[in-house]
Amino acid sequence: DAGVTQSPTHLIKTRGQQVTLRCSPKSGHDTVSWYQQALGQGPQFIFQYYEEEERQRGNFPDRFSGHQFPNYSSELNVNALLLGDSALYLCASTRRTGVIYEQYFGPGTRLTVT
Amino acid sequence: AQSVTQPDIHITVSEGASLELRCNYSYGATPYLFWYVQSPGQGLQLLLKYFSGDTLVQGIKGFEAEFKRSQSSFNLRKPSVHWSDAAEYFCAVGGLDNAGNMLTFGGGTRLMVKP
Repeated sequence: DAGVTQSPTHLIKTRGQQVTLRCSPKSGHDTVSWYQQALGQGPQFIFQYYEEEERQRGNFPDRFSGHQFPNYSSELNVNALLLGDSALYLCASTRRTGVIYEQYFGPGTRLTVT
Repeated sequence: AQSVTQPDIHITVSEGASLELRCNYSYGATPYLFWYVQSPGQGLQLLLKYFSGDTLVQGIKGFEAEFKRSQSSFNLRKPSVHWSDAAEYFCAVGGLDNAGNMLTFGGGTRLMVKP
């Protein structure tokens, strides 16, 4: 059973450019969340997709947008990149066990903005 | 708003020694609490979780955590640390309104293990 996969592994972009990151959830998981982890910090919730819609959103500007496809895979798009967008972007897929959700994280995409 | 504080940024212990990593949370109701571990270049792996019931929860790799409502704490413990435990550890809280689906993480504690 493959875990959560993300692509690409690393990415270097220039300020002002746009970037798309991709995530495939674990088999049987229908919900995908995205987190941003700046160097030396804990992950911060960006947003979550379920049934191809954004269901919850953290405190991130509209430059951050996403999409979920019918096969539950997801994309994170960031427009007008800033130096501060440099971070590890983590995707998590969710399984509900009883009354609690368990999130399974992928290895992340390291984005560097120069 | 929910928040998590991990007071110790770095901790160094000797192999075989016991370990306790501290976590304090802020949330208005009974929270969903999690501990994750992150090894270099890897994503987060769930060690254990708590929602209700027994306040001492067992996880993988010999870890356990104790929920103390009066202290708003959820400290992670291990009786004997192995060199392979060196990693970054994150405590996280999820709200009751989303069944723990949207996590707020602490800043992490980096564990180093001396031989």
